[in-house]
Amino acid sequence: KAGVTQTPRYLIKTRGQQVTLSCSPISGHRSVSWYQQTPGQGLQFLFEYFSETQRNKGNFPGRFSGRQFSNSRSEMNVSTLELGDSALYLCASSPGGTGYSDIQYFGAGTRLSVL
Amino acid sequence: DQQVKQNSPSLSVQEGRISILNCDYTNSMFDYFLWYKKYPAEGPTFLISISSIKDKNEDGRFTVFLNKSAKHLSLHIVPSQPGDSAVYFCAASAWQGGKLIFGQGTELSVKP
Repeated sequence: KAGVTQTPRYLIKTRGQQVTLSCSPISGHRSVSWYQQTPGQGLQFLFEYFSETQRNKGNFPGRFSGRQFSNSRSEMNVSTLELGDSALYLCASSPGGTGYSDIQYFGAGTRLSVL
Repeated sequence: DQQVKQNSPSLSVQEGRISILNCDYTNSMFDYFLWYKKYPAEGPTFLISISSIKDKNEDGRFTVFLNKSAKHLSLHIVPSQPGDSAVYFCAASAWQGGKLIFGQGTELSVKP
């Protein structure tokens, strides 16, 4: 079974631009979560999508948004990039459902550098 | 507000000895805890988990202990191997899954 795939692996953007990151979950997984990893803040939860609906949201500004498609693939968008958005963005998938906790499986991440 | 804390940024252990990584949490709503291992330039890899209804879970060389009254969990690796050298993250979630709260990580170095 293929793992979680994130594209692209590396991105360089300039301040003010916008960026879209893509995540393909493990086949059969319906939940996709996004995390930001920075040296100072560790891994911070951005949001989670389940069955095309945002189910959980972290404490990030509205410049960060996401969506999930009917095939469970997910995209994350960051508009009006700031220098502080430079980070490793990680996507994780799990079978999903409600009322219980899943093990999340992570992709290798997208390294975003904002200049 | 750091709900999950790993107070030791680094740990160095001799090969063959026990590694003990610690994690504290503050939110009593957390009911599921996980440990992940991360190498540079890779995503975190799931290691072991424990539900709040248990106090211990074992998987080979890895054992996780949960002390709910102290809001503390630990990961024991016995015996430690050089290939275990990585950053270890503990994470916690409440019943609705999908949202993991991570600690800051502990970098483990196992010396031959």
